[in-house]
Amino acid sequence: DIVMTQSPLSLPVTPGEPASISCRSSQSLVYSNGNTYLAWYLQKPGQSPQLLIYFASYRAPGVPDRFSGSGSGTEFTLKISRVEAEDVGVYYCMQGVETPITFGGGTKVDIK
Amino acid sequence: QMQLQESGSRLLKPSETLSLTCAISAGSVSSGAYSWNWIRQPPGKDFEWIGYIYQTGRTSYNPSLKTRVTISADRSKNHFSLSLNSVTAADTAVYYCAGSKVGAALVGWFDPWGQGILATVSS
Repeated sequence: DIVMTQSPLSLPVTPGEPASISCRSSQSLVYSNGNTYLAWYLQKPGQSPQLLIYFASYRAPGVPDRFSGSGSGTEFTLKISRVEAEDVGVYYCMQGVETPITFGGGTKVDIK
Repeated sequence: QMQLQESGSRLLKPSETLSLTCAISAGSVSSGAYSWNWIRQPPGKDFEWIGYIYQTGRTSYNPSLKTRVTISADRSKNHFSLSLNSVTAADTAVYYCAGSKVGAALVGWFDPWGQGILATVSS
């Protein structure tokens, strides 16, 4: 199975400041067609996860442009350019390049 | 906008069979555009992908659960279902259904998700 490792586990943030979360995979997430199957989700308290980013850097419809994804191969980053109070929750990365699909352990983002 | 809604058994005893259903609205279980997935999250633990069904027939399961899992679909009711037999306390989790838009791969990312249903196994 592909192991997904996120850091940090916890990230206290100040509203208006940037934030960054890292995700590393145990093997390349580049599919045979050249697309990179890495997605990011935010799970707000009491809610199901919501898709933020797919193909490593494509924002899902309706996701604010303060969220951006980058990276390639096995190293990926989710950045929030200016954190807002509504961004608190747990962020997860996930690989979809092969089954079984696997998730990172999550990064909890809260306000300082 | 497509929506998914889980329903089913919420409290089970060890050795029983967990049965959950995911109703699809504004979408079709027989569509070739999506694979239909089950994912779970035990309390305080990581997400675990359980498996998917595609076009009501093709399935793929996580090897960790493969011997106990069946995912099926019902075109007439436009829903898909999860059956997990011989449950233990380790199967206590929030179970989510989710769609994955099909591209080169049958699973790429999950969107939408259902709201989740907590299934508890306790004697």
